[in-house]
Amino acid sequence: QKEVEQNSGPLSVPEGAIASLNCTYSDRGSQSFFWYRQYSGKSPELIMFIYSNGDKEDGRFTAQLNKASQYVSLLIRDSQPSDSATYLCAVQDTGNQFYFGTGTSLTVIP
Amino acid sequence: GAVVSQHPSRVICKSGTSVKIECRSLDFQATTMFWYRQFPKKSLMLMATSNEGSKATYEQGVEKDKFLINHASLTLSTLTVTSAHPEDSSFYICSARGGGGEKLFFGSGTQLSVL
Repeated sequence: QKEVEQNSGPLSVPEGAIASLNCTYSDRGSQSFFWYRQYSGKSPELIMFIYSNGDKEDGRFTAQLNKASQYVSLLIRDSQPSDSATYLCAVQDTGNQFYFGTGTSLTVIP
Repeated sequence: GAVVSQHPSRVICKSGTSVKIECRSLDFQATTMFWYRQFPKKSLMLMATSNEGSKATYEQGVEKDKFLINHASLTLSTLTVTSAHPEDSSFYICSARGGGGEKLFFGSGTQLSVL
Protein backbone atom coordinates (compact mmCIF):
# COMPACT_ATOMS: atom_id res chain seq x y z
CA GLN A 1 0.00 0.00 0.00
CA LYS A 2 1.56 3.24 -1.12
CA GLU A 3 1.15 5.94 1.48
CA VAL A 4 1.46 9.68 1.53
CA GLU A 5 1.44 11.28 4.95
CA GLN A 6 0.89 14.84 6.02
CA ASN A 7 0.38 16.45 9.39
CA SER A 8 -3.30 17.34 9.39
CA GLY A 9 -2.69 20.45 11.46
CA PRO A 10 -4.16 22.91 11.89
CA LEU A 11 -1.04 24.93 11.28
CA SER A 12 -1.28 28.58 12.27
CA VAL A 13 1.24 31.24 11.31
CA PRO A 14 1.12 35.03 11.61
CA GLU A 15 0.83 37.13 8.50
CA GLY A 16 4.22 37.71 6.91
CA ALA A 17 5.79 34.60 8.39
CA ILE A 18 7.02 31.50 6.58
CA ALA A 19 4.63 28.54 6.53
CA SER A 20 6.28 25.13 6.22
CA LEU A 21 4.25 22.15 5.09
CA ASN A 22 5.71 18.66 5.05
CA CYS A 23 4.86 15.43 3.32
CA THR A 24 6.43 11.96 3.41
CA TYR A 25 5.79 9.10 1.04
CA SER A 26 6.40 5.38 1.18
CA ASP A 27 7.10 4.44 -2.45
CA ARG A 28 10.76 4.98 -3.33
CA GLY A 29 9.91 4.68 -7.01
CA SER A 30 7.72 7.80 -6.96
CA GLN A 31 8.68 10.17 -9.71
CA SER A 32 6.61 13.31 -9.52
CA PHE A 33 5.40 15.38 -6.62
CA PHE A 34 2.66 17.97 -6.48
CA TRP A 35 1.17 20.46 -4.07
CA TYR A 36 -2.47 21.42 -4.38
CA ARG A 37 -4.32 24.14 -2.51
CA GLN A 38 -7.95 23.63 -1.66
CA TYR A 39 -10.18 26.33 -0.26
CA SER A 40 -13.18 25.23 1.75
CA GLY A 41 -15.96 24.06 -0.54
CA LYS A 42 -13.78 24.34 -3.63
CA SER A 43 -11.85 21.93 -5.78
CA PRO A 44 -8.07 21.51 -5.45
CA GLU A 45 -5.86 23.69 -7.62
CA LEU A 46 -2.29 22.89 -8.59
CA ILE A 47 0.23 25.34 -7.17
CA MET A 48 3.59 23.58 -7.43
CA PHE A 49 5.16 20.48 -8.87
CA ILE A 50 8.68 19.11 -8.59
CA TYR A 51 10.47 16.18 -10.15
CA SER A 52 14.13 16.53 -9.16
CA ASN A 53 15.92 16.65 -5.83
CA GLY A 54 16.45 20.12 -4.48
CA ASP A 55 14.44 23.29 -4.41
CA LYS A 56 12.04 24.79 -6.92
CA GLU A 57 10.85 28.34 -6.43
CA ASP A 58 7.79 30.04 -7.88
CA GLY A 59 7.02 33.43 -6.42
CA ARG A 60 6.37 33.07 -2.71
CA PHE A 61 6.27 29.28 -2.96
CA THR A 62 9.24 26.92 -2.73
CA ALA A 63 8.94 23.17 -3.10
CA GLN A 64 11.73 21.04 -1.68
CA LEU A 65 12.31 17.41 -2.59
CA ASN A 66 14.58 14.90 -0.91
CA LYS A 67 14.17 11.51 -2.52
CA ALA A 68 16.70 9.81 -0.26
CA SER A 69 14.64 10.77 2.79
CA GLN A 70 11.36 10.43 0.92
CA TYR A 71 9.94 13.76 1.82
CA VAL A 72 8.69 16.78 -0.01
CA SER A 73 7.89 20.11 1.54
CA LEU A 74 6.26 23.38 0.61
CA LEU A 75 7.40 26.71 1.98
CA ILE A 76 5.20 29.76 1.71
CA ARG A 77 7.07 33.01 2.32
CA ASP A 78 5.39 36.23 3.43
CA SER A 79 2.22 34.30 4.27
CA GLN A 80 -1.03 36.10 3.57
CA PRO A 81 -4.51 35.50 5.01
CA SER A 82 -5.54 34.45 1.49
CA ASP A 83 -3.12 31.52 1.81
CA SER A 84 -5.38 30.02 4.47
CA ALA A 85 -6.53 26.74 2.96
CA THR A 86 -5.90 23.03 3.02
CA TYR A 87 -2.76 21.93 1.19
CA LEU A 88 -2.73 18.50 -0.38
CA CYS A 89 0.46 16.66 -1.20
CA ALA A 90 0.24 14.29 -4.16
CA VAL A 91 2.76 11.73 -5.34
CA GLN A 92 2.78 10.11 -8.76
CA ASP A 93 4.27 6.66 -9.21
CA THR A 94 5.90 5.09 -12.25
CA GLY A 95 2.49 3.86 -13.40
CA ASN A 96 1.18 7.45 -13.42
CA GLN A 97 -1.10 6.73 -10.48
CA PHE A 98 -1.64 9.60 -8.04
CA TYR A 99 -1.70 9.17 -4.29
CA PHE A 100 -2.88 11.98 -2.05
CA GLY A 101 -2.11 12.87 1.51
CA THR A 102 -4.92 13.80 3.86
CA GLY A 103 -4.04 17.48 3.66
CA THR A 104 -2.70 20.08 6.07
CA SER A 105 -4.97 22.90 7.15
CA LEU A 106 -3.16 26.25 7.20
CA THR A 107 -4.46 29.38 8.86
CA VAL A 108 -2.63 32.68 8.39
CA ILE A 109 -3.52 35.06 11.19
CA PRO A 110 -3.73 38.76 10.22
CA GLY B 1 -2.72 25.29 -17.70
CA ALA B 2 -5.18 22.68 -18.82
CA VAL B 3 -8.84 23.36 -18.04
CA VAL B 4 -11.30 20.81 -16.75
CA SER B 5 -14.94 21.85 -16.60
CA GLN B 6 -17.42 20.13 -14.30
CA HIS B 7 -21.17 20.63 -14.31
CA PRO B 8 -23.36 21.15 -12.38
CA SER B 9 -21.61 22.80 -9.47
CA ARG B 10 -24.46 22.13 -7.09
CA VAL B 11 -27.47 19.84 -7.22
CA ILE B 12 -30.24 19.08 -4.78
CA CYS B 13 -32.40 16.07 -5.47
CA LYS B 14 -34.97 13.86 -3.84
CA SER B 15 -34.11 10.44 -2.54
CA GLY B 16 -34.51 7.77 -5.20
CA THR B 17 -33.74 9.98 -8.17
CA SER B 18 -30.65 9.80 -10.38
CA VAL B 19 -28.16 12.59 -10.90
CA LYS B 20 -25.68 12.97 -13.75
CA ILE B 21 -22.44 14.93 -13.39
CA GLU B 22 -20.39 15.90 -16.44
CA CYS B 23 -16.65 16.41 -16.64
CA ARG B 24 -15.08 17.92 -19.74
CA SER B 25 -11.49 18.61 -20.70
CA LEU B 26 -11.74 21.88 -22.58
CA ASP B 27 -8.38 22.31 -24.27
CA PHE B 28 -6.87 18.86 -24.33
CA GLN B 29 -7.81 15.25 -24.90
CA ALA B 30 -8.01 13.11 -21.80
CA THR B 31 -7.92 9.38 -22.34
CA THR B 32 -8.15 8.94 -18.59
CA MET B 33 -10.26 10.84 -16.10
CA PHE B 34 -10.68 10.24 -12.40
CA TRP B 35 -13.68 10.61 -10.11
CA TYR B 36 -13.29 11.45 -6.44
CA ARG B 37 -15.57 11.88 -3.50
CA GLN B 38 -14.77 14.17 -0.64
CA PHE B 39 -16.49 14.50 2.72
CA PRO B 40 -16.18 17.73 4.72
CA LYS B 41 -12.69 18.28 6.10
CA LYS B 42 -11.49 15.01 4.59
CA SER B 43 -9.13 14.25 1.75
CA LEU B 44 -10.03 13.05 -1.70
CA MET B 45 -11.21 9.49 -2.02
CA LEU B 46 -10.66 7.99 -5.46
CA MET B 47 -13.84 6.30 -6.62
CA ALA B 48 -12.96 5.18 -10.11
CA THR B 49 -10.72 5.65 -13.10
CA SER B 50 -12.57 6.41 -16.29
CA ASN B 51 -11.00 5.21 -19.53
CA GLU B 52 -12.17 6.44 -22.91
CA GLY B 53 -13.92 3.72 -24.85
CA SER B 54 -13.76 1.09 -22.15
CA LYS B 55 -15.22 0.22 -18.78
CA ALA B 56 -14.26 2.23 -15.76
CA THR B 57 -12.04 0.75 -13.08
CA TYR B 58 -13.65 1.08 -9.67
CA GLU B 59 -11.87 1.24 -6.35
CA GLN B 60 -12.63 -1.35 -3.72
CA GLY B 61 -15.86 -0.65 -1.92
CA VAL B 62 -17.36 1.56 -4.63
CA GLU B 63 -20.60 0.18 -6.06
CA LYS B 64 -20.31 0.17 -9.83
CA ASP B 65 -24.05 -0.25 -10.29
CA LYS B 66 -24.74 2.79 -8.18
CA PHE B 67 -22.06 5.06 -9.59
CA LEU B 68 -22.25 4.66 -13.34
CA ILE B 69 -19.34 6.09 -15.29
CA ASN B 70 -19.32 6.68 -19.02
CA HIS B 71 -16.33 7.99 -20.95
CA ALA B 72 -17.72 8.19 -24.45
CA SER B 73 -15.23 10.62 -25.92
CA LEU B 74 -11.73 11.95 -25.31
CA THR B 75 -13.12 15.10 -23.72
CA LEU B 76 -16.15 13.95 -21.74
CA SER B 77 -16.73 11.63 -18.80
CA THR B 78 -19.97 11.40 -16.86
CA LEU B 79 -20.78 10.08 -13.42
CA THR B 80 -24.38 9.10 -12.73
CA VAL B 81 -25.44 8.54 -9.15
CA THR B 82 -28.39 6.18 -9.48
CA SER B 83 -31.23 5.99 -6.95
CA ALA B 84 -29.51 8.54 -4.77
CA HIS B 85 -29.92 8.41 -1.00
CA PRO B 86 -29.01 10.94 1.68
CA GLU B 87 -25.78 9.07 2.44
CA ASP B 88 -24.66 9.81 -1.13
CA SER B 89 -24.61 13.52 -0.30
CA SER B 90 -21.04 14.62 -0.81
CA PHE B 91 -18.66 16.72 -2.89
CA TYR B 92 -17.79 14.93 -6.13
CA ILE B 93 -14.73 16.01 -8.10
CA CYS B 94 -13.36 14.89 -11.44
CA SER B 95 -9.83 15.26 -12.71
CA ALA B 96 -7.84 14.58 -15.83
CA ARG B 97 -4.21 14.49 -16.78
CA GLY B 98 -3.24 17.33 -19.02
CA GLY B 99 -0.52 19.82 -19.82
CA GLY B 100 1.68 17.14 -21.30
CA GLY B 101 0.15 14.24 -19.42
CA GLU B 102 2.08 14.42 -16.20
CA LYS B 103 -0.03 16.90 -14.25
CA LEU B 104 -3.45 16.36 -12.77
CA PHE B 105 -6.06 19.08 -13.13
CA PHE B 106 -9.33 19.14 -11.29
CA GLY B 107 -12.83 20.13 -12.23
CA SER B 108 -14.60 22.63 -10.02
CA GLY B 109 -16.53 19.94 -8.17
CA THR B 110 -20.21 19.15 -7.66
CA GLN B 111 -21.91 19.44 -4.29
CA LEU B 112 -24.66 16.84 -4.20
CA SER B 113 -27.36 17.06 -1.56
CA VAL B 114 -29.94 14.28 -1.42
CA LEU B 115 -33.05 15.08 0.59
